[in-house]
Amino acid sequence: GAVVSQHPSWVICKSGTSVKIECRSLDFQATTMFWYRQFPKQSLMLMATSNEGSKATYEQGVEKDKFLINHASLTLSTLTVTSAHPEDSSFYICSARASGRTPYNEQFFGPGTRLTVL
Amino acid sequence: GESVGLHLPTLSVQEGDNSIINCAYSNSASDYFIWYKQESGKGPQFIIDIRSNMDKRQGQRVTVLLNKTVKHLSLQIAATQPGDSAVYFCAESVTGGGNKLTFGTGTQLKVEL
Repeated sequence: GAVVSQHPSWVICKSGTSVKIECRSLDFQATTMFWYRQFPKQSLMLMATSNEGSKATYEQGVEKDKFLINHASLTLSTLTVTSAHPEDSSFYICSARASGRTPYNEQFFGPGTRLTVL
Repeated sequence: GESVGLHLPTLSVQEGDNSIINCAYSNSASDYFIWYKQESGKGPQFIIDIRSNMDKRQGQRVTVLLNKTVKHLSLQIAATQPGDSAVYFCAESVTGGGNKLTFGTGTQLKVEL
């Protein structure tokens, strides 16, 4: 149980285009999902917290107009990188916190999406 | 801001030996800690967690130790196997703090045959 999927697993796009990444909790409901970015040989950096039915909360330094997050249902959150540029190339990982599953902050991670902007 | 850090960026061990990966954290309010394993090109995989009301927790071949006095966390892997080769991250969280995780810098574990 507690499986999180991401789609696509990798994507290559041209500079200036927008890319949408989906994060789904397959066997549980997630009121909260998180989006991370990871550059090569670096740690995961939290970008934003996505709550179902409300606006996402972005971490300091993350442009909310560039990284659009939508959490329309209890099993799906999407991250759209708008007007992507080469510096946005990274590994994007989502995680989901199961509603009422544990009293603590256990998160289940997706497999990640590799974005390459040419 | 608050951060979680690791002492060793790379750790090489012989197959069969025990591995110890260390982590220092700075947020004294953190009360939940997790170790993750990340293989190349994949998302983090949960290994073991520990809450601040404990100082030791054991799993299958893994043990996590928590020393709140010096804000130190360690992951011990017994009888390290080639399949254990990966990057290991510690993460900390504050209950009620928006459920956010702060990740450490990571340690690359290399298992030599």
